[in-house]
Amino acid sequence: DAKTTQPNSMESNEEEPVHLPCNHSTISGTDYIHWYRQLPSQGPEYVIHGLTSNVNNRMASLAIAEDRKSSTLILHRATLRDAAVYYCILPTYGGATNKLIFGTGTLLAVQP
Amino acid sequence: SQTIHQWPATLVQPVGSPLSLECTVEGTSNPNLYWYRQAAGRGLQLLFYSIGIGQISSEVPQNLSASRPQDRQFILSSKKLLLSDSGFYLCAWSVGRLWTGYTFGSGTRLTVV
Repeated sequence: DAKTTQPNSMESNEEEPVHLPCNHSTISGTDYIHWYRQLPSQGPEYVIHGLTSNVNNRMASLAIAEDRKSSTLILHRATLRDAAVYYCILPTYGGATNKLIFGTGTLLAVQP
Repeated sequence: SQTIHQWPATLVQPVGSPLSLECTVEGTSNPNLYWYRQAAGRGLQLLFYSIGIGQISSEVPQNLSASRPQDRQFILSSKKLLLSDSGFYLCAWSVGRLWTGYTFGSGTRLTVV
């Protein structure tokens, strides 16, 4: 199974952009890159996913390296509500479905 | 729109008592369903997943079992709870193999005393 590596924690100031890195050097050609976040005392929330091209949605942008061995989740303007654990995941094929195996993620602290 | 319901939100149970947590999904058919557990200060651990009625796959050996009696109902059970079963239990669903992501429920915080 392809693995991901993320920093344990990061800090940001409110209203500034945040770049959350993820390394996945063993990624295969068909692995999608998914990002979820978990706010305190809540279930994880889907943020964004991509395969090869950079992706944008209302929550964030995902920049994927040309060799796909790394990616970066970009929050364009961090707010206090963005303080959460961010998980970078490569879904694992489990026979008839894809499974999300969560690692330890990056704890993002946002300072006012 | 699709919604996922989990209950109860909070549960305190004595050691050795049985457990039944229920998860239901609305607004979709034949979802893939998942049970996760998050122990205090730890990461999310996938416990079970199901691709259809009566089809359960277990990820880790443990004191728990899962059942899927109806298409949109997923139940997590235990005959006798252990202290180590305490944690935050989350149900999630996804649509088949089309990768639209997982949607998680609001979770049940279980404390075994």
